[in-house]
Amino acid sequence: GNSVTQMEGPVTLSEEAFLTINCTYTATGYPSLFWYVQYPGEGLQLLLKATKADDKGSNKGFEATYRKETTSFHLEKGSVQVSDSAVYFCALYETSGSRLTFGEGTQLTVNP
Amino acid sequence: DAGITQSPRYKITETGRQVTLMCHQTWSHSYMFWYRQDLGHGLRLIYYSAAADITDKGEVPDGYVVSRSKTENFPLTLESATRSQTSVYFCASRSPVQNTEAFFGQGTRLTVV
Repeated sequence: GNSVTQMEGPVTLSEEAFLTINCTYTATGYPSLFWYVQYPGEGLQLLLKATKADDKGSNKGFEATYRKETTSFHLEKGSVQVSDSAVYFCALYETSGSRLTFGEGTQLTVNP
Repeated sequence: DAGITQSPRYKITETGRQVTLMCHQTWSHSYMFWYRQDLGHGLRLIYYSAAADITDKGEVPDGYVVSRSKTENFPLTLESATRSQTSVYFCASRSPVQNTEAFFGQGTRLTVV
């Protein structure tokens, strides 16, 4: 079946540091890939997405590139802010497109 | 209000009791989902529904029941709550258009004592 694996957390960075959160997946066919973010006490909201190989999703300074050859969708940001502190989830849609499968989530804390 | 809302936000119940978590969305999205969020497990799919009167099991359905008599509502019932069902529950919805995002409610924190 489909699965998503994220790098183990939690991750703690200083403000303006470079962020990478690794995400790899196992899926049949050509899934769509997503990053969701969960701020404290809230539900998940979409951060960015990519629907085919070599697509780059970007939003709020975050980027991720759909790499089919390495089955990866790593999240990056060049300079994190305290307000980026949250839990980040990598996810994929099955090829049939009905179900989202999530990774375990990575807690990010950014200190001033 | 437009969006997806869950109720209650917090619930404490006793082992063995039946409890129902409510989910309501205003977009007429055909797909709706229930997830539970637990430390170390991320989000796991409990049940989902592709349309009114169509439901299907997800990854961890045991101990839960769902119904979907109306497109906008997707209640989740714990028939006889157990401590292992203590969790944060999220409802989500999305349109049937491929690759569109899912929208999540704010969650229900359920504690079974």
